[in-house]
Amino acid sequence: GQQLNQSPQSMFIQEGEDVSMNCTSSSIFNTWLWYKQDPGEGPVLLIALYKAGELTSNGRLTAQFGITRKDSFLNISASIPSDVGIYFCAGQLSDGGSQGNLIFGKGTKLSVKP
Amino acid sequence: NAGVTQTPKFQVLKTGQSMTLQCAQDMNHEYMSWYRQDPGMGLRLIHYSVGAGITDQGEVPNGYNVSRSTTEDFPLRLLSAAPSQTSVYFCASRRRQLGTDTQYFGPGTRLTVL
Repeated sequence: GQQLNQSPQSMFIQEGEDVSMNCTSSSIFNTWLWYKQDPGEGPVLLIALYKAGELTSNGRLTAQFGITRKDSFLNISASIPSDVGIYFCAGQLSDGGSQGNLIFGKGTKLSVKP
Repeated sequence: NAGVTQTPKFQVLKTGQSMTLQCAQDMNHEYMSWYRQDPGMGLRLIHYSVGAGITDQGEVPNGYNVSRSTTEDFPLRLLSAAPSQTSVYFCASRRRQLGTDTQYFGPGTRLTVL
């Protein structure tokens, strides 16, 4: 099936650091969504992107829809302990492939540095 | 609005038993779907439905059945549980045309098959 490559797989953060993660594909997408999942909970939407080049912020979070429509990144500025969790990107193919279903990356796990 | 609700929250089954995971949404969404989440595998699509009376297979449909008799409900049936079906199951819903809307997830059902 279609693949979304999400990186990094995991990272450790120290409070106050900026964090960056991204998703790439060889296919063109018309929608990018970024979700966060806390332990024992379902994914919750952070940011949605619907146009190439779109840059959207939600508090300390900023995400961009890549101009080629094949990638997206999520930045978290000045991280705090409650930022830990798993972050997922998801995209919908522009050609209607995968029957319009969202395709998910495998997630980036954010943990606190010991 | 309650959003997407799932029951039960936890379930333990013995190999060979059958059960139904319930999912309901009150947003009048046409599209509903079931995912399973395993460590390191991200979210994998099991089955989905684009409207009442219409269902289709996702990436990992074997061992699961679904039906969609109403817009609100989308139950997932395990016909004969196997240890490989130990996982966390998420139901999700959205408008059929994603447009400027997003996909909403339920809180999950944690299933253990012994």
